[in-house]
Formats: sequence, C-alpha cells, structure tokens
Amino acid sequence: GAVVSQHPSRVICKSGTSVKIECRSLDFQATTMFWYRQFPKKSLMLMATSNEGSKATYEQGVEKDKFLINHASLTLSTLTVTSAHPEDSSFYICSASVPSEETQYFGPGTRLLVL
Amino acid sequence: GEDVEQSLFLSVREGDSSVINCTYTDSSSTYLYWYKQEPGAGLQLLTYIFSNMDMKQDQRLTVLLNKKDKHLSLRIADTQTGDSAIYFCAEGDGGATNKLIFGTGTLLAVQP
Repeated sequence: GAVVSQHPSRVICKSGTSVKIECRSLDFQATTMFWYRQFPKKSLMLMATSNEGSKATYEQGVEKDKFLINHASLTLSTLTVTSAHPEDSSFYICSASVPSEETQYFGPGTRLLVL
Repeated sequence: GEDVEQSLFLSVREGDSSVINCTYTDSSSTYLYWYKQEPGAGLQLLTYIFSNMDMKQDQRLTVLLNKKDKHLSLRIADTQTGDSAIYFCAEGDGGATNKLIFGTGTLLAVQP
C-alpha cells in the first residue's frame, strides 16, 4: 500500500526559531501533497495544498510567510514554520494523493512544541 | 458552508457492534471516507464509498450512505479493544487534488 513518512516525529524548539518538517511518499510519486494541522481533541484543519513544481495554495487564514511550503520533487514536500511561537505548537500531518486512487494517504504526524 | 458533524464519544463492550454516525452538508461530494486515528499517530484510511452507492462492506466494516439525508455511518462488527481510536469521516470531490473536509471525530472506547 501507499506509505507516507514524516520527519521528525516530534520536535521541541525555542520561540523565534524555525522548524522544518519533511513529508515523503515512499513507494509512489505524489504530484499533490496536503498539510494539515490538528489541535488537541480536534479535527484536522487543512492548511495548504502543495503541488510539485509550483507554489502552494493556502487556505483562508493561513499565513503563507509563516508556514513555508516547498514541494521540490514528486516524493518530498517540506513545511517550515518560521519564527515559531508557542501558539504554533500543534500536531502537523501531511498527506499525499495517489494518482490512481480517489483518496489521500497520511503521514504519521509531527508533534511540534514551541517553548 | 461545508460542515461535517459527528458525535463526540461512543462506548461499547468488546464483541458488540459499533455504529459511528456522520452528517455532512455538501451534496456535491463524490466520495465519503472513514479514517482511524490512534493516539499520537496519523490517519489510517479504513474505507471509502462513492456517492452513488448505498452500502459498502469490507470484512468487519459496513458503510451505509443515505444521500437524501446526507448521513453516513460506519458499523464495526465484533468490536475489539484494538478498535479503540478516534474515527473521522471526511467528504471530498475525488481526483488527485481532491480536498477533504473532515468531521469532528468520534472517540470509540471499547470496554473489555
């Protein structure tokens, strides 16, 4: 089956620093990847849609300069949280579309804690 | 706007059937999905149904879709303790750039 990995699985950083999260499709090529944010005991909120070789499409209310997304290859998308603050602490999950299937496969998530 | 609602919590005994319900508002959705999330983990796709279907069965899982009422359910037969997790329904238009709108999630607790 389609496997999506994320790295790191958890990260703690100081306020004001930047953190990069990687999302990889391991056994398929993903032209489209998605980044979600999940607050404790809440549903997933779509942050942006990332297409290989082009700029990401951000959802309303998501700051593109704050959450930088790069989809440089068909198997890798990165999310960089710039100048992180405690309110950015959350669980970030990526997913990738399988071209032949009508669904998305999700990574295991990255827990970010900003002190 | 788009809204997908689920009840927050369901508790069942091991061996019983579980039924998790979901209501959605976007009648143009092509696919409806059920995902499972275990603590601290990502989402695992359980099953999905095309909007022109009424029912889909996959081993212990049965999905029922009432398109008229915009109601989706997931029945888990012979529920096991390993089924304890949060279950999310989601709706989408299909295709590689298909955006998913997730429900609020139902926490299923299976008592031994």
